[in-house]
Amino acid sequence: EAGVTQFPSHSVIEKGQTVTLRCDPISGHDNLYWYRRVMGKEIKFLLHFVKESKQDESGMPNNRFLAERTGGTYSTLKVQPAELEDSGVYFCASSVEWGTGELFFGEGSRLTVL
Amino acid sequence: AQSVAQPEDQVNVAEGNPLTVKCTYSVSGNPYLFWYVQYPNRGLQFLLKYITGDNLVKGSYGFEAEFNKSQTSFHLKKPSALVSDSALYFCAVRDRTISGNTPLVFGKGTRLSVIA
Repeated sequence: EAGVTQFPSHSVIEKGQTVTLRCDPISGHDNLYWYRRVMGKEIKFLLHFVKESKQDESGMPNNRFLAERTGGTYSTLKVQPAELEDSGVYFCASSVEWGTGELFFGEGSRLTVL
Repeated sequence: AQSVAQPEDQVNVAEGNPLTVKCTYSVSGNPYLFWYVQYPNRGLQFLLKYITGDNLVKGSYGFEAEFNKSQTSFHLKKPSALVSDSALYFCAVRDRTISGNTPLVFGKGTRLSVIA
């Protein structure tokens, strides 16, 4: 069974540019999450999809971040325009159930904004 | 608000010795507690969880953790460390008494180094 896959694994962009990160969850997992870790800090929650609906987007930092999950399958996270403080590792995770179920994580997309 | 504290950035232990990685939490009600491990260049992997019942939880790779409600702690332990246990360990909590979809909140991680 394929795990959660994320693309790209590493992206280096200039301040003001746009980047789109993609996440393919495990097939059949309705719940999809985005998290971000800045170097040495906590892994911070960004948002949670249930199928194609945004269940909780309370962690999205500002309106420069846009997440979509069209058709309830893969998800994209767009940062436009990118700022220096957006640098970090963006993790995607999926799960069968919310609440007590374990999350399955991708390897992360490292974003460096210069 | 939910929060997790992992007071140690780094834990060093000799191979064969017992290891402990500390975690304390703060929730308004009762917690669901999790430990995840991240090996180099990999995603986080689930190790174990406490939902309800027995306070001592056993998980993957010989790890266990004990839920201590009075001390609001959920320390990760292993009786005999292996070099292959060297990784980054994250504790996480969710308040199970809050209705609605509260997210899983992670700590900042503790790097475990097991020395041969």
